Amino acid sequence: ETGVTQTPRHLVMGMTNKKSLKCEQHLGHNAMYWYKQSAKKPLELMFVYNFKEQTENNSVPSRFSPECPNSSHLFLHLHTLQPEDSALYLCASSQELAGGSEETQYFGPGTRLLVL
Amino acid sequence: AQKVTQAQTEISVVEKEDVTLDCVYETRDTTYYLFWYKQPPSGELVFLIRRNSFDEQNEISGRYSWNFQKSTSSFNFTITASQVVDSAVYFCALSDDAGGTSYGKLTFGQGTILTVHP
Repeated sequence: ETGVTQTPRHLVMGMTNKKSLKCEQHLGHNAMYWYKQSAKKPLELMFVYNFKEQTENNSVPSRFSPECPNSSHLFLHLHTLQPEDSALYLCASSQELAGGSEETQYFGPGTRLLVL
Repeated sequence: AQKVTQAQTEISVVEKEDVTLDCVYETRDTTYYLFWYKQPPSGELVFLIRRNSFDEQNEISGRYSWNFQKSTSSFNFTITASQVVDSAVYFCALSDDAGGTSYGKLTFGQGTILTVHP
């Protein structure tokens, strides 16, 4: 089993649809992240969950709604998206230690999202 | 504020050439961490190396080597005897301590697209 898995790998949705992206990590980590990677832009951090609590929301529009039911699973619920939301959405996990030692983040393969 | 600059947008080399990918960073913290990731066409970011700000020793791992110079705020990555399989986008990233309150805030550079031709 690979470290961080994401499903689906590809998703096409209309602007009125509701869909969810799923991420699962098998590394025993306690922190999980959502990133957005658009063409010709740096990776953008969207959300951070540490011990299942959201510790970061990087000014993400409310049409993106994260959910972290446990430390192994992370979801990104999508509704009424816009075409400019088309991107590669990457999930990552890390083992954060007390004092914030900035441990290595391990990434999943991403979900390529196209919004029509 | 953190900033990572990868000035080389695209690099094209022929197999067996050596290639160096540049990374320059900015941070006000004295404690910080630098990373390199590789993103092949499949999309997954593959972790290559993590370096903390107190360890300026250069590192070599097979054909890969990293040159960390605090004096110039640079963390360059060299691939020796490049191979077609090295073709990918390479990202440099920075994470600082932010007083121990900022978990997982990686700042990425724009990435360098490396193409190795046979």
